[in-house]
Order: sequence, then C-alpha cells, then structure tokens
Amino acid sequence: EVQLLASGGDLVQPGGSLRLSCAASGFTFSAYAMSWVRQAPGKGLEWVSTFSNDDRAYYADSVKGRFTIFRDISENTLHLQMNSLRAEDTAVYFCAKDRGIGTAGTLFGHWGQGTLVTVSS
Amino acid sequence: DVAMTQSPESLAVSLGERATIRCKSSQSVLSGSVNKNCLAWYQQKPGQPPKLIIYWASTRESGVPDRFSGSGSGTDFTLTISSLQAEDVAVYYCQQYDRSPTFGQGTKLEIK
Repeated sequence: EVQLLASGGDLVQPGGSLRLSCAASGFTFSAYAMSWVRQAPGKGLEWVSTFSNDDRAYYADSVKGRFTIFRDISENTLHLQMNSLRAEDTAVYFCAKDRGIGTAGTLFGHWGQGTLVTVSS
Repeated sequence: DVAMTQSPESLAVSLGERATIRCKSSQSVLSGSVNKNCLAWYQQKPGQPPKLIIYWASTRESGVPDRFSGSGSGTDFTLTISSLQAEDVAVYYCQQYDRSPTFGQGTKLEIK
C-alpha cells in the first residue's frame, strides 16, 4: 500500500526558511516522479514543484529561486527546502506520487495528508 | 500557463439525480505524443487530501464507482455523476498535465 507522510510544517516569520519532508513507502521510490502541491486556507490547489524519476527538478514560477526540491533515495524521502518565505506561501503542503502511466510526472495518483506551513510575524 | 476554468463554482443536486461539472482549458491539452487528452479530475472531501478519480479525460481510476464518468476533448471537458450519492459530497477539481500542471478553481458539490 502506498503511504506518503509529510512533515515539517510550522509557523515561520516572513523571510524565514523551512524544510518539509515526505516519507514514502509501499512502492519503488526511485522509479516515480514526486511532487509538492499546496492549498492555501479555504482555497484551491496549486502545483509547487516536481522531482522527476530522471533527477530533474521543476518549479512553479511563484516559488522558483526560493524553493528547492530534492530526494534521498536511501531514505525514500522527498524534501522541499523553502527559503525567503512570504505570507502568500501559507498553505497545507501535500506530497504526491506520480500515477506512473508515461506522463511527465504530474498526474498525481496518490497524495499524503499534508503539512501546514504558516508564514506570519 | 494553461488556465483551467470550472463551472459552476457550486452545485446542489438531489440524491439520485445527475450532477455535471464543466472544465475549460485556455489551450488544447491534447498531447501530440500520446494522442490523449491530459486532463484529470480529483475529488476532495473535507479534511482529506484530493483523490484521483479520472485521468486521460475519461479513464476511471481503479476502485472509482462507475457512476463517475469523464468526457470531452481539446479544451472542453465534463465530469458527470450519474446518480448522486451522499458520499459524493466534495469539492471537485480538474487538472491538466500536458504542460506545467494547473488546476481549476474547484466546484463544491452539495446535496439539495
């Protein structure tokens, strides 16, 4: 059974940094693209970043240059390093696994429960 | 970016009746490499993460009841629930995955 457990969310001041983690199990972690998708309180879904199964990183324009996605295959864990945080980054951050049907890695077949990031002074 | 626009924003349907949600993309999401529409539908219940229910515009995910169906091509797509059940109350999102992924704003489905 695929399981994705996100952690690391916290209250942080504007301009601060935070690292999110997503522990994955139940599948061959290295074989699938993994992504972060966020949802601001009471709002819709916004794609943030994807790490492909061939080690490429992709970012939404809203986070490019501030966020870094990477993975630790030995630990089956996906990370999101978030720097220069802004109030508009406040959201629940979900990690998601690619459905794995030959797309570019952005069809989200499984989702974790999410972790809340609040950026406020 | 490909903009996704859903309608209506909210919808109230009686139990057992049909519910129809529409999604329009600002550009075609028909992938030339696979000749399929890169359009997915997700269901999100309160306090839960989204769940994939339809992909390739019309392929039901494993385990999804057959009262859910997807249709459309190019820029215009529809999610239909043929006979609404109480457990279908949720917010539904469309998403294109042809390019940098984008979501519709969501449609809140309630019981009338």
